[in-house]
Amino acid sequence: AQSVTQLGSHVSVSEGALVLLRCNYSSSVPPYLFWYVQYPNQGLQLLLKYTTGATLVKGINGFEAEFKKSETSFHLTKPSAHMSDAAEYFCAVDHAQIQGAQKLVFGQGTRLTINP
Amino acid sequence: NAGVTQTPKFRILKIGQSMTLQCTQDMNHNYMYWYRQDPGMGLKLIYYSVGAGITDKGEVPNGYNVSRSTTEDFPLRLELAAPSQTSVYFCAIQQGPYNEQFFGPGTRLTVL
Repeated sequence: AQSVTQLGSHVSVSEGALVLLRCNYSSSVPPYLFWYVQYPNQGLQLLLKYTTGATLVKGINGFEAEFKKSETSFHLTKPSAHMSDAAEYFCAVDHAQIQGAQKLVFGQGTRLTINP
Repeated sequence: NAGVTQTPKFRILKIGQSMTLQCTQDMNHNYMYWYRQDPGMGLKLIYYSVGAGITDKGEVPNGYNVSRSTTEDFPLRLELAAPSQTSVYFCAIQQGPYNEQFFGPGTRLTVL
């Protein structure tokens, strides 16, 4: 079965500093990988996704992630943190695509705090 | 919330009661999903549907039932509520194969 591990349930950075959120996955087949963001009392919003092709993926709000097959990782980065980036971030892998459905398996989440 | 409506927003149930969580979309998307999110955890897939009349189990289907009689609606039924079903429930929709999922605002359910 596929699984996702997010290292660090809570990450705190200063405004303007680099953001690095770590995600490792286990999968027996080439996966589709996703990062979602959840603001308080809201549903999830897609930041970016990797399906095939270029391993460096750019998303919304200045975030990007790199798929590294040899390390089974898909870490999320942003060069300069902004106060509005404070939220919960979830990494997810596509469990099995049946008839085009995405059966996502999520990590436990990382809460990002931005210090002024 | 991308054309996804979930009702109610909040609900408190007693053990053994039943209820239906409603999910309605106005985007005419074929794919719909139900997830639950427990405190401090990621989402887990309960059930999903690839079109009207077609549903299938996800990772944690026990204690739940679904139906998909129309494209617009995908209700989630709890027959005998248990404290372990205390969670936030999210419905999601997906336009086509391998497309992005869009999430509703969620229903916060407490079973006492």
